[in-house]
Amino acid sequence: DQQVKQNSPSLSVQEGRISILNCDYTNSMFDYFLWYKKYPAEGPTFLISISSIKDKNEDGRFTVFLNKSAKHLSLHIVPSQPGDSAVYFCAARLTGNQFYFGTGTSLTVIP
Amino acid sequence: DAMVIQNPRYQVTQFGKPVTLSCSQTLNHNVMYWYQQKSSQAPKLLFHYYDKDFNNEADTPDNFQSRRPNTSFCFLDIRSPGLGDAAMYLCATSRDTLAGGLGDTQYFGPGTRLTVL
Repeated sequence: DQQVKQNSPSLSVQEGRISILNCDYTNSMFDYFLWYKKYPAEGPTFLISISSIKDKNEDGRFTVFLNKSAKHLSLHIVPSQPGDSAVYFCAARLTGNQFYFGTGTSLTVIP
Repeated sequence: DAMVIQNPRYQVTQFGKPVTLSCSQTLNHNVMYWYQQKSSQAPKLLFHYYDKDFNNEADTPDNFQSRRPNTSFCFLDIRSPGLGDAAMYLCATSRDTLAGGLGDTQYFGPGTRLTVL
């Protein structure tokens, strides 16, 4: 049973525009959410995170929004750059060291 | 500077032949994780070590075992690989996430791609 879902396998965006990547989850006990970015032949690298007690966290061009009532989070990248082209994974943590990942969304930023 | 190293990057084994994947870290993190990721699927947590304490996920097959002889190293042993075990295996580390903090990020290695013939 997939507890973290990324329903869009791929997304294409023009350079300079906003990229919005979405993630849904089912377990209300998740207390921490993370986004990872993955380039081919590399492991995922941490991008940004948000605690379940917050609804927004911003870091430069990246903003994560959390809607707990809808069990939904999103990652906004603005402005999008060609170097942002990668696979983005959403992950959620249960208290402790259990992390659950989504299947990823492949973002292509078109120059 | 490499922080989480996985060797080898590519591993080919035969059906039923035991195989060991290795992971090392220079971060001195308490926690080490092993994930299995099959094509187009989410990375799936197999187990993790919190220091020397081993934590197995309930649905991890018995065919998968792990060893952590010291803080820096962690091994994934697949006792009798089947065709369905072909996947990317990711090792990750993190600091103690049980100390009351709001969480800590995981640092991933590049993965080992396992092929079973």
